[in-house]
Amino acid sequence: EAGVTQSPTHLIKTRGQQATLRCSPISGHTSVYWYQQALGLGLQFLLWYDEGEERNRGNFPPRFSGRQFPNYSSELNVNALELEDSALYLCASSLYTGWNEQFFGPGTRLTVL
Amino acid sequence: SQQGEEDPQALSIQEGENATMNCSYKTSINNLQWYRQNSGRGLVHLILIRSNEREKHSGRLRVTLDTSKKSSSLLITASRAADTASYFCATYANFGNEKLTFGTGTRLTIIP
Repeated sequence: EAGVTQSPTHLIKTRGQQATLRCSPISGHTSVYWYQQALGLGLQFLLWYDEGEERNRGNFPPRFSGRQFPNYSSELNVNALELEDSALYLCASSLYTGWNEQFFGPGTRLTVL
Repeated sequence: SQQGEEDPQALSIQEGENATMNCSYKTSINNLQWYRQNSGRGLVHLILIRSNEREKHSGRLRVTLDTSKKSSSLLITASRAADTASYFCATYANFGNEKLTFGTGTRLTIIP
């Protein structure tokens, strides 16, 4: 069974640009979660999508947005990039709502110059 | 803000020794989970303990939960070089703002 996949692996942008990160969940998983992990820090919850709807979002500004497609894959968009947006962005998926276990992808390393 | 705070932030031990790391949290929870992260990659779920449980075992892992102290500990017995990783606790509470809240992590290094 294929795991959660994310693309791209690395992304380099300049301040003010937009970044798009993609996530494909494990087959059959309907919930997708996005987290930001800044260097040396824990994971900060960004967004939760289930069945195509945004169910919850963390304490991030509106320039962080996303969506979930009918095939349950997801996209995270970050507009007007700032230097402090540099981080590892992790996507996770779960069968139904994943409060017992989430399966993580390898992450996208975003660097903002 | 982080719900969980791990202690210590970093831990180095000799291979074969036991490693203990602790997690404290602030609010009531439904469950607490431990995850492992290798070298800034994705996290892997290790074990879950529910709020009405006090101790769980899985292979070389032992987790305890003390809800009165709002704390948990993860014990890894007979450590191996492959256990070198960062370990995070994550809490879930279904009081409206549903999400997993992760702690700051403990960086464990096993010295061969």
